[in-house]
Amino acid sequence: QVQLVQSGSELKKPGASVKVSCKASGYTFTSYAMNWVRQAPGQGLEWMGWINTNTGNPTYAQGFTGRFVFSLDTSVSTAYLQISSLKAEDTAVYYCARKNIVVVPAAMGADYYYMDVWGKGTTVTVSS
Amino acid sequence: DIQMTQSPSSLSASVGDRVTITCRASQSISSYLNWYQQKPGKAPKLLIYAASSLQSGVPSRFSGSGSGTDFTLTISSLQPEDFATYYCQQSYSTPFFGPGTKVDIK
Repeated sequence: QVQLVQSGSELKKPGASVKVSCKASGYTFTSYAMNWVRQAPGQGLEWMGWINTNTGNPTYAQGFTGRFVFSLDTSVSTAYLQISSLKAEDTAVYYCARKNIVVVPAAMGADYYYMDVWGKGTTVTVSS
Repeated sequence: DIQMTQSPSSLSASVGDRVTITCRASQSISSYLNWYQQKPGKAPKLLIYAASSLQSGVPSRFSGSGSGTDFTLTISSLQPEDFATYYCQQSYSTPFFGPGTKVDIK
């Protein structure tokens, strides 16, 4: 079945780095882009950006540039999120989510896209 | 950036109730609107995409409507497993999520 399996919880000290993995199975990895979404404790969902799994080209949301890096290893159908110089405010659950698209004729407007498959989330805790 | 708001922020309802959640965009987003359900400690789950298309496997008691700036998610008869937080998300531009609506037991 189609699924995304994320790596386990991480406890890091401020200033350290962390790399979260998201392994896809049950579908062709390079056929769908991958989103990353953050959820701070008790807060809502925040889109961090996405990575084109064909080209490896990432797009970062405002507020997620510089310390956040999306990468891929297509040989093992895995997407990665690396966060450097960790701060206490990076404490959150990080989700990967597949980007699915409904293609519409160009005359009708832009394609519809949505996040249809989600990983279970990886909890990153930053504490001294 | 297009901002999303939801109302109410929370509601209490009983099993069998009809529940309606509203999502509003700060500018027109046509039908580029998705709805997700999230239960505590779990990943979000896609319910509705393109404003009114039901995701495969989602019960038909869930429905979505609207276009432009105003959208609604309706649960026709609330079931025990529907107590959760619901988020809208626009896909017209930067895919911001709404702040969420928590549905709990009355």
